[in-house]
Amino acid sequence: AQSVTQLGSHVSVSEGALVLLRCNYSSSVPPYLFWYVQYPNQGLQLLLKYTSAATLVKGINGFEAEFKKSETSFHLTKPSAHMSDAAEYFCAVTENTGNQFYFGTGTSLTVIP
Amino acid sequence: NAGVTQTPKFQVLKTGQSMTLQCAQDMNHNSMYWYRQDPGMGLRLIYYSASEGTTDKGEVPNGYNVSRLNKREFSLRLESAAPSQTSVYFCASKRTSGGSYEQYFGPGTRLTVT
Repeated sequence: AQSVTQLGSHVSVSEGALVLLRCNYSSSVPPYLFWYVQYPNQGLQLLLKYTSAATLVKGINGFEAEFKKSETSFHLTKPSAHMSDAAEYFCAVTENTGNQFYFGTGTSLTVIP
Repeated sequence: NAGVTQTPKFQVLKTGQSMTLQCAQDMNHNSMYWYRQDPGMGLRLIYYSASEGTTDKGEVPNGYNVSRLNKREFSLRLESAAPSQTSVYFCASKRTSGGSYEQYFGPGTRLTVT
């Protein structure tokens, strides 16, 4: 069985500060991992994905994430937060058939001016 | 290229009423999905269709039925709506070739059952 845990349902950072959103996964097979962003009243948009290539993955809008198998983690980071980064962020996992996806409960990011 | 479209955007139903949520994609994707999003619970998979002509249950299928009408369209039906089905419903599609696994999401349908 697969599952995703996102620690911290709400994270606040100052503009210009480091953004760190945590995601831990559970999977019995090599996972594929994703971060999605959701702006108010919109659907989800892919930020980045890990599909067994490079462990450090770069995505859109300056975000990146590192796959750490030993820690079963896929934390999302951005060196300097912008006001436009305020949104809900979801981590998701699937296995190699890509049929079923499991999402975390989400982290709401607030950026303080 | 519209991507994934969903209709309606908003709907209010009374308990016991039925309705069908429509989803269509124009990206020639094989796989399509229906999720519900509830506060504090993330997205939960209701049903998915790995390819035209097949459907499978996800994590929370009770109270729902689906139809993969053709490669483009995947509908979700509530036969007898209940207040517990008040939620935001998202449709998604995914290309199955090339190992991408990326899902593309529609804008959602906000359903309230009173």
